Amino acid sequence: EAQVTQNPRYLITVTGKKLTVTCSQNMNHEYMSWYRQDPGLGLRQIYYSMNVEVTDKGDVPEGYKVSRKEKRNFPLILESPSPNQTSLYFCASTSATSSTDTQYFGPGTRLTVL
Amino acid sequence: SQQGEEDPQALSIQEGENATMNCSYKTSINNLQWYRQNSGRGLVHLILIRSNEREKHSGRLRVTLDTSKKSSSLLITASRAADTASYFCATDPINDYKLSFGAGTTVTVRA
Repeated sequence: EAQVTQNPRYLITVTGKKLTVTCSQNMNHEYMSWYRQDPGLGLRQIYYSMNVEVTDKGDVPEGYKVSRKEKRNFPLILESPSPNQTSLYFCASTSATSSTDTQYFGPGTRLTVL
Repeated sequence: SQQGEEDPQALSIQEGENATMNCSYKTSINNLQWYRQNSGRGLVHLILIRSNEREKHSGRLRVTLDTSKKSSSLLITASRAADTASYFCATDPINDYKLSFGAGTTVTVRA
């Protein structure tokens, strides 16, 4: 089944404790991205990647890192999480080399930073 | 930056009625997409309309695009309880590589 998976689905952590949220897709998609969703603000893009070893900042990249060592994986790293990073995070992928086509979303990771 | 803005923010209708929501955006686009999100879950793609298209249908969904007014509308006909969700428009601006989502319209369909 074609899908985007994220882990963990729920995470409660404390300020400053490094964490990684994994994202994997099995559709051989070129383009992957991370979004955060906050009430009243919709989805805001954090980082995106057009291909292996190619990443770029989205609209709200501060406090986040990503890597794209393999085509299928696109982990999101929070080196020193802070309470303002409490949010619902989504990974997405698309077959196009840009965002011009349908995006497939993962189920989301709900992160709470205390 | 948030380019697409949906209107209204929330909509409550009776089962069987039609639901209409609008999306306005600021800059020229390659295409516009509509997504649905059930409470707390991932977004699901509904329909994509390209800048050279004016109307598109998919089942009970009808999407229009007016590039001169920089606006789009999503119509759900004969609504069902299962249509209760948030609906987002996403624009693909020309010369950009990222989709820009609006804040969404929350639709509640009453039985």
